[in-house]
Amino acid sequence: DGGITQSPKYLFRKEGQNVTLSCEQNLNHDAMYWYRQDPGQGLRLIYYSQIVNDFQKGDIAEGYSVSREKKESFPLTVTSAQKNPTAFYLCATSPLGGANYGYTFGSGTRLTVV
Amino acid sequence: DQQVKQNSPSLSVQEGRISILNCDYTNSMFDYFLWYKKYPAEGPTFLISISSIKDKNEDGRFTVFLNKSAKHLSLHIVPSQPGDSAVYFCAAQDLYSGAGSYQLTFGKGTKLSVIP
Repeated sequence: DGGITQSPKYLFRKEGQNVTLSCEQNLNHDAMYWYRQDPGQGLRLIYYSQIVNDFQKGDIAEGYSVSREKKESFPLTVTSAQKNPTAFYLCATSPLGGANYGYTFGSGTRLTVV
Repeated sequence: DQQVKQNSPSLSVQEGRISILNCDYTNSMFDYFLWYKKYPAEGPTFLISISSIKDKNEDGRFTVFLNKSAKHLSLHIVPSQPGDSAVYFCAAQDLYSGAGSYQLTFGKGTKLSVIP
């Protein structure tokens, strides 16, 4: 059963700590994306990757880092430099080439800074 | 600069009536448009899409209309059901502009409430 797994579903972080959100997919999609959702802000792109070992900054990359060491995985690290990290984080994937089918989203991780 | 705009943050509709959600875009290079539905604490799910070579696409109770000259699209839900209550995101894509062209640009969403 193909899909995207985001873990954990809920995450609490103390101020000043780094935390890593996991995103794993078995859809064999080339591209992976991280979005952040805040109330009234819609979905804002943090980072994306179209190929292993390569990734690009999105609109709000400051305070975040990613890696893409294998096709199936695209973890997001929220660093202590991110000033307002409390949000709902969504991972998505898409195929590349030919007709496009939009994105498939994971179920999200709710990060709360305490 | 927001390239995809959903100007109504919320919409309330009676059960059984039509829901019309609107979306405007500014980038004339967009050639594929999608609607996603999102429940709280879940990821968005794909609802319906339309290519710029069409002006209408229908799937059951959901119809998307595209007016390219006005850079406007709308999602019609008929008849509306309480289970349709969710946030709806409009998204647009420029398929042929090279690196990064598969990215979706999202609107801020419209929260639909269908009242029983």
